[in-house]
Amino acid sequence: DAGVIQSPRHEVTEMGQEVTLRCKPISGHDYLFWYRQTMMRGLELLIYFNNNVPIDDSGMPEDRFSAKMPNASFSTLKIQPSEPRDSAVYFCASSPFDEQFFGPGTRLTVL
Amino acid sequence: KQEVTQIPAALSVPEGENLVLNCSFTDSAIYNLQWFRQDPGKGLTSLLLIQSSQREQTSGRLNASLDKSSGRSTLYIAASQPGDSATYLCAVRGNNAGNMLTFGGGTRLMVKP
Repeated sequence: DAGVIQSPRHEVTEMGQEVTLRCKPISGHDYLFWYRQTMMRGLELLIYFNNNVPIDDSGMPEDRFSAKMPNASFSTLKIQPSEPRDSAVYFCASSPFDEQFFGPGTRLTVL
Repeated sequence: KQEVTQIPAALSVPEGENLVLNCSFTDSAIYNLQWFRQDPGKGLTSLLLIQSSQREQTSGRLNASLDKSSGRSTLYIAASQPGDSATYLCAVRGNNAGNMLTFGGGTRLMVKP
């Protein structure tokens, strides 16, 4: 298996623009997680899905953030409109149940 | 609310040393604990997963122990190598936290040749 795949790997955008991050989990994993990592706050869970259903989105910082999982092999995290404070590395992870496996991350820079 | 702390935040050792990384958590009602490694600019790689009923797990030169009652876990690295240089993170899954992990801040390890 190729592991968790994320795209793009790097994204530079201007404040106010819409940003869409993509994730393909490991096949057969029922759980999918979106995290954000910054120097100041470390790793924070934003939202997670079980069998494509959002279970906990309490970590989503604002209404500007939204996440979807239309099927078992694809998820998106959207930020609209983006702000400079959204600059971070965004990780997607998947899990069969216990152990979580992380993707390489998307480094987002909002100018 | 679960809080996870890793001390020290950074550690530098000469090659060949055995070393211990520490992780503490405030709520002992955990389901499992996972240790990860993160290389600069990369994602997290799972190293070891310890279930709450287990006391330790081993993989090669790595050994992780868990003392749930005292809220502590240690990651032991034997005969350290420069390739072990990375940030090591521990993460805890609580009994009532669904499948969510709470991460510590990490220990940045440098092994000098």
